[in-house]
Amino acid sequence: IAGITQAPTSQILAAGRRMTLRCTQDMRHNAMYWYRQDLGLGLRLIHYSNTAGTTGKGEVPDGYSVSRANTDDFPLTLASAVPSQTSVYFCASSDSAGPEGTQYFGPGTRLTVL
Amino acid sequence: GQNIDQPTEMTATEGAIVQINCTYQTSGFNGLFWYQQHAGEAPTFLSYNVLDGLEEKGRFSSFLSRSKGYSYLLLKELQMKDSASYLCAAFDSNYQLIWGAGTKLIIKP
Repeated sequence: IAGITQAPTSQILAAGRRMTLRCTQDMRHNAMYWYRQDLGLGLRLIHYSNTAGTTGKGEVPDGYSVSRANTDDFPLTLASAVPSQTSVYFCASSDSAGPEGTQYFGPGTRLTVL
Repeated sequence: GQNIDQPTEMTATEGAIVQINCTYQTSGFNGLFWYQQHAGEAPTFLSYNVLDGLEEKGRFSSFLSRSKGYSYLLLKELQMKDSASYLCAAFDSNYQLIWGAGTKLIIKP
């Protein structure tokens, strides 16, 4: 069982380019999340999905979009990348969006926007 | 606003005990998590507290006081592999996790 996989592992991107970060889980978890982690700051929620077919905005959604066509996949798209989107991006999933919904994290994607 | 406070960095000696504190202010409260994150890796789950008191799991214990908005993670018999960042996170009223910036724990021989 792989758990959660993310691709690519790292990427250098020119500003203005479009980029999709991929996230796949094989645990049949209903809820999935995208976070960014920047030095000196806590993890910040970008978007989330409580179940397939639904998505919601987190704390820092601007410049990002997501889709949840099925249970396993939750891609994150940067429509037109900007340098402030340089960060480490983590995808996570949990088997409950409510109490005791422990989140399990993918290995992360390190993105640099020049 | 919502806020999680924890020390930026702590240093401890191999074999010793260390306590990492976390205070939280959230709109509503539905439980508190501790995660461990080694450098360059993903966070991994350590503990979850929703009721007041101490939860013990081997060398790691976590304490919660809801009335004080306070939690701590206690690590006993420290090992070099415990060198990592420890992240505190609280569920708010919408069951979204609010994360602290993490405490970097340095273990010295």
